[in-house]
Amino acid sequence: ETGVTQSPTHLIKTRGQQVTLRCSSQSGHNTVSWYQQALGQGPQFIFQYYREEENGRGNFPPRFSGLQFPNYSSELNVNALELDDSALYLCASSLGQGARETQYFGPGTRLLVL
Amino acid sequence: GENVEQHPSTLSVQEGDSAVIKCTYSDSASNYFPWYKQELGKGPQLIIDIRSNVGEKKDQRIAVTLNKTAKHFSLHITETQPEDSAVYFCAASQGNSNYQLIWGAGTKLIIKP
Repeated sequence: ETGVTQSPTHLIKTRGQQVTLRCSSQSGHNTVSWYQQALGQGPQFIFQYYREEENGRGNFPPRFSGLQFPNYSSELNVNALELDDSALYLCASSLGQGARETQYFGPGTRLLVL
Repeated sequence: GENVEQHPSTLSVQEGDSAVIKCTYSDSASNYFPWYKQELGKGPQLIIDIRSNVGEKKDQRIAVTLNKTAKHFSLHITETQPEDSAVYFCAASQGNSNYQLIWGAGTKLIIKP
C-alpha cells in the first residue's frame, strides 16, 4: 500500500453534472498529480499541483480544475460532465515536483457518466 | 510531443519462464523511465525505474534496460510466478515539460500454471 487514499471509490453522475474527487497524499509528499485512465488504456496526465499551485497541465479542457490544500491533499473538479469523462481517475503523490520524482498512486475513483 | 509505444499488448508465458516487454519513445530529451504494475481494481504500483545516466538496473527478478541511442527500454521478468499476472505500463518523462509522464498503452501479462 502506498498511503495515498482517494474518495469516493465509485461514483455515478449524469451528463452535465459536476463532480469533485478527493485525494490524500502520502505523508511528507508535497506534490499531487492527477491522471485519467480510460478502460484498457494507460493513464493520461491531467495536471500536477506543487505546494498549492498548479505547475503543469496536460491536454485537458478548463472544465477540469483542481485544488491543493495546505496539508497537500487535493481535489479534482470536473464541470459539465460528458459521457467520455467516464474513466478511472488516479492521483499520485511525490516528494517533489516534476515527472522525474517517483510517483505513488492511490487506488483511484471510478466515475461513470450516464 | 512525446509518444510512447509499448509491445506486446498481451503476453502469455509459462510459469517459471521469462517475460520481456518493450517500449519505444520519441523525445530524445526524456530522461526518466518508470515501469508500473497495475492489478485489477488497484492503482499502478512502481516496480522499477531507470534514469538516462545508466543502461541497466536490476532488482531481484526484475530488470530494466535502456538504449538511449535507439530510444527504447525494456522490462525483463525472470522466473515468472502467478502473482506476476497483471497489466504492466511503461512511461517516459516528457523532456520539455519537466512534470508530465507519457504512458504506454499497457501489456497484459498472463502467467500460465
